[in-house]
Amino acid sequence: GAVVSQHPSRVICKSGTSVKIECRSLDFQATTMFWYRQFPKQSLMLMATSNEGSKATYEQGVEKDKFLINHASLTLSTLTVTSAHPEDSSFYICSAPLGGSRINEQYFGPGTRLTVT
Amino acid sequence: AQSVTQPDIHITVSEGASLELRCNYSYGATPYLFWYVQSPGQGLQLLLKYFSGDTLVQGIKGFEAEFKRSQSSFNLRKPSVHWSDAAEYFCAVGVGGYQKVTFGTGTKLQVIP
Repeated sequence: GAVVSQHPSRVICKSGTSVKIECRSLDFQATTMFWYRQFPKQSLMLMATSNEGSKATYEQGVEKDKFLINHASLTLSTLTVTSAHPEDSSFYICSAPLGGSRINEQYFGPGTRLTVT
Repeated sequence: AQSVTQPDIHITVSEGASLELRCNYSYGATPYLFWYVQSPGQGLQLLLKYFSGDTLVQGIKGFEAEFKRSQSSFNLRKPSVHWSDAAEYFCAVGVGGYQKVTFGTGTKLQVIP
């Protein structure tokens, strides 16, 4: 099946620094990728839709200047958490769907655990 | 906007017993429905999906789910649970023609010997 990887799997950073998380589709091309945030014992909350070659689409309440998304190629999307603060500590998950623009099952990365100290 | 409700936050079953996880959705038309499983340290894995056709869908690992339009439900079932099924299960709904899906709050399954 399709594989999506994320790097790093865990990262600890100091408050005020920026952290970049990579999401790669390993054996398929993804013009669209999704970034989710999962709080402990809670569901996945969609943060933004990453579009190859164009600007990301952010969900209501998500600060686009804080969570920078770049979809530079058909297999790579990056999420940069800028000026991170302890409240940004969370589990970040990306996904990529097969099937182009038609709705289809999504393949999820293993997630990145961000801890801001 | 669509929404998904998983009324059971935590369920405990004995190994070998049957399992049913509940999922209710809210959407005006027929949605696309999914069940995902999340194990510790692993990404979400698709168990099964419903797009159209037969309302009883078979998935991986012996799971099945039934779409009931009249009840706006898509409950997940397994006749005999294995200890390895202990994980968190998420029901999700997608709107036709668009890739965004909305996840329920999840049900954590504990399996006891």
